[in-house]
Amino acid sequence: QSALTQPPSASGSPGQSVTISCTGTTSDVGYYNYVSWYQQRPGKAPKLMIYEVTKRPSGVPDRFSGSKSGNTASLTVSGLQADDEADYYCSTYAGSDNLVFGGGTKLTVL
Amino acid sequence: QVQLQESGPGLLKPSETLSLTCIVSGYSITSHYYGGWIRQSPGKGLEWIGSIYYSGTTYYNPSLKSRVTISIDTSRNQFSLKLNSVTAADTAVYYCARQGVNGLSWFDPWGQGTLVAVSS
Repeated sequence: QSALTQPPSASGSPGQSVTISCTGTTSDVGYYNYVSWYQQRPGKAPKLMIYEVTKRPSGVPDRFSGSKSGNTASLTVSGLQADDEADYYCSTYAGSDNLVFGGGTKLTVL
Repeated sequence: QVQLQESGPGLLKPSETLSLTCIVSGYSITSHYYGGWIRQSPGKGLEWIGSIYYSGTTYYNPSLKSRVTISIDTSRNQFSLKLNSVTAADTAVYYCARQGVNGLSWFDPWGQGTLVAVSS
């Protein structure tokens, strides 16, 4: 069982926006601003999309954005494109020198 | 260009020790980044294994801590993972990655990953 809870799947049509949630507790997501989001295409290594809740690494389109409210972090993909179809994972520092991942969300572009 | 590459045996027998090395290029591991190991069982999600700083400071996943050792070789610009007493449950793709400066944050970039299978 993953420490962070993500919906198994999400979907949207091209051009639409979709939001993926990542729910933790007051001891991890709710306490630290170290939430990261990763995109993983089939057979490939994960790619960092968002770090420290809202920051985007160089080269990541601004269609990807991150936020947090209470114990839930969110990744929003705007202007959905076929190329965005992938698995998305959240992670966070969980205190006591521990880092945890979510179970992953499969994003389908309809 | 920052690159990381995992290397090591792809097949182990139960009770053996998994040993992998992450060869780093494009930056010095004595710079202010950590190096991390993450694994992914077939068809499953990601699991953090542990992280190391060039000073030797390490952090381990509590669920694996008793079996894991991560070490660093600054002269070769690489860091390594050892996981002892492996079972079939340790079959996974193992990734190494550069990690943010506080050692418990983001991973970027990742190596391509290496599949390690445990089977008798």
